[in-house]
Amino acid sequence: DSGVTQTPKHLITATGQRVTLRCSPRSGDLSVYWYQQSLDQGLQFLIQYYNGEERAKGNILERFSAQQFPDLHSELNLSSLELGDSALYFCASSVAPGPEGYTFGSGTRLTVV
Amino acid sequence: DQQVKQNSPSLSVQEGRISILNCDYTNSMFDYFLWYKKYPAEGPTFLISISSIKDKNEDGRFTVFLNKSAKHLSLHIVPSQPGDSAVYFCAASAGSSGSRLTFGEGTQLTVNP
Repeated sequence: DSGVTQTPKHLITATGQRVTLRCSPRSGDLSVYWYQQSLDQGLQFLIQYYNGEERAKGNILERFSAQQFPDLHSELNLSSLELGDSALYFCASSVAPGPEGYTFGSGTRLTVV
Repeated sequence: DQQVKQNSPSLSVQEGRISILNCDYTNSMFDYFLWYKKYPAEGPTFLISISSIKDKNEDGRFTVFLNKSAKHLSLHIVPSQPGDSAVYFCAASAGSSGSRLTFGEGTQLTVNP
């Protein structure tokens, strides 16, 4: 158990629908990152929050949004889902905003049918 | 635009021998490099890192070499063990982009007993 909790572990939904992925960071970690891993590809950076504020944004689609709440958990909202959104979505957390000390959760596997 | 590339999707070695995983990058702004290991149904776990001011970093059986002029890094595992069988991701960050990581596609390492 890495200490980063992602729910749900698996999600199957239809095209056009909206889903919310949840991430609870490791205790004491202020930074949360979201990554997407499509089939046979590396992890692609989506967005980072630090202590409730958006810190950095990657190639995140306009249909996707995220936020970090006062208790530091984060949610990634995916709307108007398309088949190509099927992927593993990983959350990671760290104490400070830096590449060292990333801890990843086990991911949410999203399947859009 | 794949800024970090792992050209070998898979590698198979015998237990006790050396495993060498390679990674190339194109962005000269990258100044920090990391290797992650990923088992099925788990998130990536940090293995070893190296700053661009060094050319080698060692941690037990794992050594990372950085060749800045060639924009190439490699991970050596000696001796390889069956428990090392996993997908290995190379990742890089640029000081200017904060803590965002750019990942390669991964290499599946299989260590045969």
